[in-house]
Amino acid sequence: AQTVTQSQPEMSVQEAETVTLSCTYDTSESDYYLFWYKQPPSRQMILVIRQEAYKQQNATENRFSVNFQKAAKSFSLKISDSQLGDAAMYFCAYRVPNSGNTPLVFGKGTRLSVIA
Amino acid sequence: DTAVSQTPKYLVTQMGNDKSIKCEQNLGHDTMYWYKQDSKKFLKIMFSYNNKELIINETVPNRFSPKSPDKAHLNLHINSLELGDSAVYFCASSLGHLIGTQYFGPGTRLLVL
Repeated sequence: AQTVTQSQPEMSVQEAETVTLSCTYDTSESDYYLFWYKQPPSRQMILVIRQEAYKQQNATENRFSVNFQKAAKSFSLKISDSQLGDAAMYFCAYRVPNSGNTPLVFGKGTRLSVIA
Repeated sequence: DTAVSQTPKYLVTQMGNDKSIKCEQNLGHDTMYWYKQDSKKFLKIMFSYNNKELIINETVPNRFSPKSPDKAHLNLHINSLELGDSAVYFCASSLGHLIGTQYFGPGTRLLVL
């Protein structure tokens, strides 16, 4: 069974600094997708960034980038120039490509605090 | 424009009652999901429907019954509510034949007293 592990229950970062959130996963599949979702206090689940496992290039979305290490099964999220609005729970998630429209498998989340 | 909507946002009810949560998506997606987020924030899949057909049914008590009248709607009915059902329930949708990024509704916070 696939599992997703986020080893940092809580992290904090100074405003304008950079922070990296860790995620590792376990799978026997060779093709899959990885996601980071953000959940602010409003509870809305917001997609931050996604990565296809067959792509070697790390995904980037503005201040958010990932370090995808397929051999190590690691998928960390880097937030640059942190802003107060980045404070939220961050969930790493894994999904196998369409085989019955598989659901997301989530990690337990990392709570990020941003200090002004 | 709302992409995935859920009603109600909050639901407070007594043990033993029956309640429903509705979900609608206007993204043209063909797959919809129900996830449960417990008090420790852990998110876990409950059900998945593709083109109105149930394709995933995790180990969920049969007091929970999803219904998909059409591709744009997936409702969740819960019978004989228990204290342990208190959680936030998220609906999500995706387009099956693409990367399948799932877009989530705002969640429904259910409190069973």
